[in-house]
Amino acid sequence: DADVTQTPRNRITKTGKRIMLECSQTKGHDRMYWYRQDPGLGLRLIYYSFDVKDINKGEISDGYSVSRQAQAKFSLSLESAIPNQTALYFCATSDLRGSSTDTQYFGPGTRLTVL
Amino acid sequence: KQEVTQIPAALSVPEGENLVLNCSFTDSAIYNLQWFRQDPGKGLTSLLLIQSSQREQTSGRLNASLDKSSGRSTLYIAASQPGDSATYLCAVDDYKLSFGAGTTVTVRA
Repeated sequence: DADVTQTPRNRITKTGKRIMLECSQTKGHDRMYWYRQDPGLGLRLIYYSFDVKDINKGEISDGYSVSRQAQAKFSLSLESAIPNQTALYFCATSDLRGSSTDTQYFGPGTRLTVL
Repeated sequence: KQEVTQIPAALSVPEGENLVLNCSFTDSAIYNLQWFRQDPGKGLTSLLLIQSSQREQTSGRLNASLDKSSGRSTLYIAASQPGDSATYLCAVDDYKLSFGAGTTVTVRA
């Protein structure tokens, strides 16, 4: 079984709809992240969480919210989806290694299309 | 704000040729630098992680170097194979990852 899973894998929705993307991990990591990937722009950080009680905005948090329901679960919500939120969304996890963060482990991605 | 640049954006080489992928970043105060591979429609797979105190890291045919003072890293892939065709992303960690846009590599058989 995959260590980091995302549901759904693909979603098509309409402008104005509320959408939730879910991420679960079995790696036991405290740190979880949500990114979006757009062609030619690389990955951009939306939100990150260093533990269940710690939520932080990333580079592009406007229009998004998150919930860390448990150590293993981190959900991303689009309260009112708009077409420019069409993108590939990735969840990732990592752990601490000394004073530095260890490598991040990525889920397979959710392809979201907003019409 | 950390800016990460990867040049070239795309690269096509014949099988067997060595690959050289470049990554530059603007702020040298980093914890580490990571190289990832992404296959079409798939997630990212970590290839190498270089801590800020290290100069290079090797795994099989892959070798990555890091020069913090000049804000550069290079990923070398020796004796390329068609299976190496993918997009390669570098990311610098200054408590969160900042990614480059990637270099898409095609290895022709």
